Amino acid sequence: DAGITQSPRHKVTETGTPVTLRCHQTENHRYMYWYRQDPGHGLRLIHYSYGVKDTDKGEVSDGYSVSRSKTEDFLLTLESATSSQTSVYFCAISELPGQGTGYTFGSGTRLTVV
Amino acid sequence: SQQGEEDPQALSIQEGENATMNCSYKTSINNLQWYRQNSGRGLVHLILIRSNEREKHSGRLRVTLDTSKKSSSLLITASRAADTASYFCATVPDSNYQLIWGAGTKLIIKP
Repeated sequence: DAGITQSPRHKVTETGTPVTLRCHQTENHRYMYWYRQDPGHGLRLIHYSYGVKDTDKGEVSDGYSVSRSKTEDFLLTLESATSSQTSVYFCAISELPGQGTGYTFGSGTRLTVV
Repeated sequence: SQQGEEDPQALSIQEGENATMNCSYKTSINNLQWYRQNSGRGLVHLILIRSNEREKHSGRLRVTLDTSKKSSSLLITASRAADTASYFCATVPDSNYQLIWGAGTKLIIKP
């Protein structure tokens, strides 16, 4: 998707290991978000950032941490992966939250914890 | 927590027919947005309607908003096979600017 990339696209990891997912944007948007998508749950917000070093928790933040040291990069870390964190993770960006042109999403990272 | 609830959960129609999806929500909103997600891909923003608007058009898409009933509908006219996707509504509450998502409607267009 234009202006936003996620890496890796797929990852299989073992229970108990740390995992870091990366979101990179070239749009210079202030707001960045991490969501997880699971069948029957729609999208659930994990963490979001409203500027460099400014982050806040979403509704499902337990077991996850984030960092944003540069405007363009937003990292999501699973500190000790569990099977319940098997999911598809999406990063999104926006200029003004909930306004204007809406959110732009990355293509997602499919994470499997075995 | 989910505020938007889409109805129906799944919809299968013939190519060329119109597709209508509904979204209901619970709290006062600033705006409501519709997104499309093709299988295995990220979500794509389709249209945003503000709380003081009643109807909005974009190409073959028509969105209505009834704040008294706390509901919205997305109409896709003259459907095409490429419209096969899941469609999500997302609401932005008055109290904050975080999107709240419904679980989506899966639309299948049969050729």
